[in-house]
Amino acid sequence: AQTVTQSQPEMSVQEAETVTLSCTYDTSENNYYLFWYKQPPSRQMILVIRQEAYKQQNATENRFSVNFQKAAKSFSLKISDSQLGDTAMYFCAFMKKSGGSNYKLTFGKGTLLTVNP
Amino acid sequence: GAVVSQHPSRVICKSGTSVKIECRSLDFQATTMFWYRQFPKQSLMLMATSNEGSKATYEQGVEKDKFLINHASLTLSTLTVTSAHPEDSSFYICSAIPGLGVGGQFFGPGTRLTVL
Repeated sequence: AQTVTQSQPEMSVQEAETVTLSCTYDTSENNYYLFWYKQPPSRQMILVIRQEAYKQQNATENRFSVNFQKAAKSFSLKISDSQLGDTAMYFCAFMKKSGGSNYKLTFGKGTLLTVNP
Repeated sequence: GAVVSQHPSRVICKSGTSVKIECRSLDFQATTMFWYRQFPKQSLMLMATSNEGSKATYEQGVEKDKFLINHASLTLSTLTVTSAHPEDSSFYICSAIPGLGVGGQFFGPGTRLTVL
């Protein structure tokens, strides 16, 4: 079974600064996907970024980028130029690539990020 | 693209009644949908996987007879909470997968259920 650990229950950052959220995972799979989801106060889950394990290049989406370290099983999210609208709960998630998983996601417990003005 | 809707967004019901929540994929077909439950300040807990045209697969500890799932078309899955009790009060979220699923799950806005 897979596990996803987010060791930072809460974090805060000043507007316009950079913040990094940590995520580690445990799996015996070699092919898989990793995701960061954002859940703002509206509680709508929003996909922020995804990473395919077989790709060495770190994924980026505008101000969001990841540091994917496959050997260390680490998948951190960096948010640059933080904005007030980035205030949300952030969930790291794992998905097996194949074989009977039916595309299930394994979620971490989440990190509550507050961006301060 | 990849928009998922849920209805209703909020529902209040009396103990002992049944409540149906609908989940629709608006701009794609979804052979697989998921139902989650989320308690305040916690992560999402997967309740069941809903497959179009077949029986849902429930996670361990989730009562099949209490949480009825129907996935009758490629764009609609429903969750019925039968004989609801106050402990069933929660935030229920559905998600769906477009295409081959490698893009991840896309989530509905959630339904707040309050059982009096």
